[in-house]
Amino acid sequence: GAVVSQHPSRVICKSGTSVKIECRSLDFQATTMFWYRQFPKKSLMLMATSNEGSKATYEQGVEKDKFLINHASLTLSTLTVTSAHPEDSSFYICSASQRGSQYFGPGTRLTVL
Amino acid sequence: LAKTTQPISMDSYEGQEVNITCSHNNIATNDYITWYQQFPSQGPRFIIQGYKTKVTNEVASLFIPADRKSSTLSLPRVSLSDTAVYYCLVVTNQAGTALIFGKGTTLSVSS
Repeated sequence: GAVVSQHPSRVICKSGTSVKIECRSLDFQATTMFWYRQFPKKSLMLMATSNEGSKATYEQGVEKDKFLINHASLTLSTLTVTSAHPEDSSFYICSASQRGSQYFGPGTRLTVL
Repeated sequence: LAKTTQPISMDSYEGQEVNITCSHNNIATNDYITWYQQFPSQGPRFIIQGYKTKVTNEVASLFIPADRKSSTLSLPRVSLSDTAVYYCLVVTNQAGTALIFGKGTTLSVSS
């Protein structure tokens, strides 16, 4: 089946620094990838839709200058959390779409101190 | 997108059959019903998808009545490892369409 990976699986950073999270579709090409955020005991919240070769589409309330998304190839999308603060600590999950089905990555646990 | 409603939580014992019902009154003609499973600190995992009547795979069965306003995920003989959150989603299956997650059902299986 289709596999999506994320790197790193967990990261701890200091407040004010930037963190980049990678999402890769390992065995298929994905023109569209999605980024979600999940707080403890809450559901997944869609942050943005990442389109290969074009600008990402952000959901209402998500700051595009803070959460930079780049989808430079058909197998890689990156999410950069800029000037991270403790409230950005969360579980970030990506998914990639193939033939109408979506496959999720294992998630990245971000902790901002 | 059709809104879904499912129980917040359910409890079961090992070996029992678990049925989780989801209501989606505003489902559209082109929509499919899809269920995902999520363990703590992991990404969601696809379980099953259906359009109408009954779908069965090696993991679960999905029952959808004729009016398609609800669906029931059936997990046969659950084990402790089935403890997870189960999400019911209504999807269009069009490429490039995001999945919108509801609150899900937390299933707790005890021995």
